[in-house]
Amino acid sequence: DQQVKQNSPSLSVQEGRISILNCDYTNSMFDYFLWYKKYPAEGPTFLISISSIKDKNEDGRFTVFLNKSAKHLSLHIVPSQPGDSAVYFCAASARRGGSNYKLTFGKGTLLTVNP
Amino acid sequence: NAGVMQNPRHLVRRRGQEARLRCSPMKGHSHVYWYRQLPEEGLKFMVYLQKENIIDESGMPKERFSAEFPKEGPSILRIQQVVRGDSAAYFCASSDLENTEAFFGQGTRLTVV
Repeated sequence: DQQVKQNSPSLSVQEGRISILNCDYTNSMFDYFLWYKKYPAEGPTFLISISSIKDKNEDGRFTVFLNKSAKHLSLHIVPSQPGDSAVYFCAASARRGGSNYKLTFGKGTLLTVNP
Repeated sequence: NAGVMQNPRHLVRRRGQEARLRCSPMKGHSHVYWYRQLPEEGLKFMVYLQKENIIDESGMPKERFSAEFPKEGPSILRIQQVVRGDSAAYFCASSDLENTEAFFGQGTRLTVV
């Protein structure tokens, strides 16, 4: 039973354009969401997070949007750069439920930014 | 480099052998988490430890797997009598507090032959 789903295994965009990565979740206890970036043979690197009390969080080129009613979040990268090419993981935790340390990950989306 | 250090990076074991994976958290971090990534899958939580204590091992297989985080030294994930299905990337993460972002190590890729 996948509680965090990233339905697009891969995404290809042109340099300078916007990349939109999507994530859906099923567990209504989740109240904290994170995006991680992962290069081959390396560990995941934290990118950006959002609490369920917000619907948007922005950090430079990265913006995460949260739609609680739809149980959906998305990561926008603009403008996209070739160095952004990596696997992006969506993750969620239930902080109010006391499981704030236990992240549930999606399967990831491979983003390729073409020069 | 004060990041999370895992070793070895690659480990090959024959079926039935033991695998020991080590994780040194970032300086000042006392919370350690182990995750496993099977091929084509996302990372799955295994265990959460603080110094000398296992806080949550709900993601650990019931048999053959154990974890520790002693007062001195790295955290160890131990897999006894490995089987082919144990082949995966094992990631360790650490944080300074339970509510703060965790930083991941580069992982140990275990291959069971």
